[in-house]
Amino acid sequence: KAGVTQTPRYLIKTRGQQVTLSCSPISGHRSVSWYQQTPGQGLQFLFEYFSETQRNKGNFPGRFSGRQFSNSRSEMNVSTLELGDSALYLCASSPEGGARNEQFFGPGTRLTVL
Amino acid sequence: GDSVTQMEGPVTLSEEAFLTINCTYTATGYPSLFWYVQYPGEGLQLLLKATKADDKGSNKGFEATYRKETTSFHLEKGSVQVSDSAVYFCALSGANNLFFGTGTRLTVIP
Repeated sequence: KAGVTQTPRYLIKTRGQQVTLSCSPISGHRSVSWYQQTPGQGLQFLFEYFSETQRNKGNFPGRFSGRQFSNSRSEMNVSTLELGDSALYLCASSPEGGARNEQFFGPGTRLTVL
Repeated sequence: GDSVTQMEGPVTLSEEAFLTINCTYTATGYPSLFWYVQYPGEGLQLLLKATKADDKGSNKGFEATYRKETTSFHLEKGSVQVSDSAVYFCALSGANNLFFGTGTRLTVIP
């Protein structure tokens, strides 16, 4: 089975722009979660989508949003980029979601905001 | 709230040395506990997990025991290899998502 794929792998944007990141889960997985990884804050949960619905949300401003399509692929969008949004964005998929179950992570998209 | 405190790194060991990476947690309820590993340029991979007190998770020579009395889940390996060089994350299952420690970078030198 193919693993979780994320595109693009690297992205450079400037402050004020917006960006869309994409995540394709493992075939058959219906849950996709997004995490932000920074040296200062570590790994922080952004949100989880399950069957096209946002099921859980972390403590991030409304500039961070996401969606999930009927094929379980997910996108996250960050509007009005700030320097502090520079991070590695990881998505993870699992068959049914839930924090107790193993999550399978993609390689991440490294976003640099200049 | 739920949180994980992980041993600060980086850790540098010689090949075949014994490894311990400390992890303690604070949680309401009875979380599952995990160790994930991140190799350079890759995402996180589940290394091992334990779902209840006194459970021992093990994989690839790594072990960790869920200790409720000390709220700990320390990672150990008896003899590390150069290929074990990576960043290791301790995590617990909250109500809705995983909570991660800050990560410990391990470098194993030949």
